[in-house]
Amino acid sequence: GQSLEQPSEVTAVEGAIVQINCTYQTSGFYGLSWYQQHDGGAPTFLSYNALDGLEETGRFSSFLSRSDSYGYLLLQELQMKDSASYFCAVRSLSGNTGKLIFGQGTTLQVKP
Amino acid sequence: GAVVSQHPSRVICKSGTSVKIECRSLDFQATTMFWYRQFPKQSLMLMATSNEGSKATYEQGVEKDKFLINHASLTLSTLTVTSAHPEDSSFYICSARLGPTDTQYFGPGTRLTVL
Repeated sequence: GQSLEQPSEVTAVEGAIVQINCTYQTSGFYGLSWYQQHDGGAPTFLSYNALDGLEETGRFSSFLSRSDSYGYLLLQELQMKDSASYFCAVRSLSGNTGKLIFGQGTTLQVKP
Repeated sequence: GAVVSQHPSRVICKSGTSVKIECRSLDFQATTMFWYRQFPKQSLMLMATSNEGSKATYEQGVEKDKFLINHASLTLSTLTVTSAHPEDSSFYICSARLGPTDTQYFGPGTRLTVL
């Protein structure tokens, strides 16, 4: 089967660093994406890793290890507005069109 | 990033009626669009994959006669919830992408409430 695992909840304080892990088991893996979703809103794209290593975009970084089927999202200098749900998603090329397979999401609560 | 719009953003309807939701890619041509539904505090569940000019591919357990999908152009896909029931109340989100290896961009979602 295909599955992704990530922690359900994470709590941290403003200014801190938090890491959200994601392990996956899928077929036709093409890359790992991360999305942020605030309550009542739509998912917004944060980052994408197709190759092993670290990708940095401002305060957010994402890492992938394909041999370990593992990735993480690193959020630095946390701000209150970072409180949201974060989803890892595998790009799968199984089938003719490919699709995203989402994890269950991690709710991040940033406290003052 | 690319912009995807959805209309309406919120709809309330009576049980037994049909509701149409539109998804548009505003600044790129989307060969593929996806429809998801999301219940509170849960993840996104893929309902179907929509390719322009061809029939949609539905995920297992999704009734294609109840959730009608039309992808008439490279910038528009529609989802029609037919004979809606209260259990169809959910957050419906579409996404669009250019090619199979490209990033999916999501619309703002449609909150459907069936009374």
